Amino acid sequence: SQELEQSPQSLIVQEGKNLTINCTSSKTLYGLYWYKQKYGEGLIFLMMLQKGGEEKSHEKITAKLDEKKQQSSLHITASQPSHAGIYLCGADLWGSQGNLIFGKGTKLSVKP
Amino acid sequence: ETGVTQSPTHLIKTRGQQVTLRCSSQSGHNTVSWYQQALGQGPQFIFQYYREEENGRGNFPPRFSGLQFPNYSSELNVNALELDDSALYLCASSRTGTGTYEQYFGPGTRLTVT
Repeated sequence: SQELEQSPQSLIVQEGKNLTINCTSSKTLYGLYWYKQKYGEGLIFLMMLQKGGEEKSHEKITAKLDEKKQQSSLHITASQPSHAGIYLCGADLWGSQGNLIFGKGTKLSVKP
Repeated sequence: ETGVTQSPTHLIKTRGQQVTLRCSSQSGHNTVSWYQQALGQGPQFIFQYYREEENGRGNFPPRFSGLQFPNYSSELNVNALELDDSALYLCASSRTGTGTYEQYFGPGTRLTVT
C-alpha cells in the first residue's frame, strides 16, 4: 500500500551486526504493529506501539514510534540467524482495531 | 492459552468453484479479521467480524463473504474462484472492548486456484 512504506525491501547482514528497518505512513497512526513472518507462514506478533515517542523492547528487538506518530523503526541488536525472516509493519489508520494496512515487508537474511 | 488455528493448511481448487476456510480465535478473543496475502506482498484486509456481524470491510468484492459463530470462530467463503484468488489467507483474532489492541495471526491457509 502506498499509505505505508517499508524500507529496505531486503537486508543481508553478518551475524552479530545491528540493523534497522523503517516504516513510514502518509497519515497519523492510531497504532503501529510489527510482525515477523517465516516464508509462507503466519505472522508472529512482535510489538504494538500507540503513543508518540513510545519505545518497546523484547529481547534484542526494539521498536520506536516517532512523536508525530507517522514513522516507526525496528532495531535488532547483535543479529542472530534466528532473526532471519520477513518483517512486516501494520498500521491502524482508523482506530478500528482490525483493519490494518501492511507494508510490503523487509526480508532479512543473517549470515553466520 | 490456545492460539489462533486455521484449516485447512493447503487447498487446491478450480476456477469457478467455491471454497470455505475456517478460523478458531485465540481463547478470550471475540473479534476475527481476515486478510489475503499474495506472494511477495503484505497482507490485505478483507473484513472483520465482531458479535457475529461484519464490522468493517476492505476493497474486496461481494463474492468474499464470512460468518462468525457464537464461540467466536469464523469462516471465510469465496464464490466463483478466480486465478487471482490464489494466495495465503490469514485470520487474526483480537479482543474488542477491553482496551487491548493486539492482533494475533493464525498460520494461514494456502489456496491455489487452477
